Amino acid sequence: NAGVMQNPRHLVRRRGQEARLRCSPMKGHSHVYWYRQLPEEGLKFMVYLQKENIIDESGMPKERFSAEFPKEGPSILRIQQVVRGDSAAYFCASSPNGQGAVYFGEGSWLTVV
Amino acid sequence: QQQVKQSPQSLIVQKGGISIINCAYENTAFDYFPWYQQFPGKGPALLIAIRPDVSEKKEGRFTISFNKSAKQFSLHIMDSQPGDSATYFCAASDSGANSKLTFGKGITLSVRP
Repeated sequence: NAGVMQNPRHLVRRRGQEARLRCSPMKGHSHVYWYRQLPEEGLKFMVYLQKENIIDESGMPKERFSAEFPKEGPSILRIQQVVRGDSAAYFCASSPNGQGAVYFGEGSWLTVV
Repeated sequence: QQQVKQSPQSLIVQKGGISIINCAYENTAFDYFPWYQQFPGKGPALLIAIRPDVSEKKEGRFTISFNKSAKQFSLHIMDSQPGDSATYFCAASDSGANSKLTFGKGITLSVRP
């Protein structure tokens, strides 16, 4: 079974550009979470989605950040007009039923120059 | 307010020794407690998890001990090996809500040969 697939693994953007991070959950998983990890810090919850629905976006910055999980295709985390403070590792995770075990992808490392 | 606190911040253990990492939580609604292992440049990997209805769970060299009244749980790594050198995160979630994980800040374990 393929695990949680994220791409790109590494992304460099100039200030003001847009970053799009993609996540395909594990087969059979319909619950997707996005987390952000800053250097030397733990993982911070950003958003929880099911197919076509945002369930909890309490960890998302109010501006510039958005997420979707369409009926077909991967989940997308979109960051508009990136700033240097957005530089971080962004991890996607999935679970089969929204309870219990959550499995993470290898992450997308965003660097804003 | 940090809801999940880990200690110590870092740990050095000799090969063959026991590594013990502690975690304390505040939210009494939490009912799922996983530990994750992360290597540099990789995503967090689920190691072992416990629910409050048991006080201990063992999987191979890894054991979780859980103390509900003290709101604490710990990870014990028996016969620690250099390959165990990584960052370890404890986490907690409320499966009655939406299962988003709240993470501790992580501790760096170094196992000396």
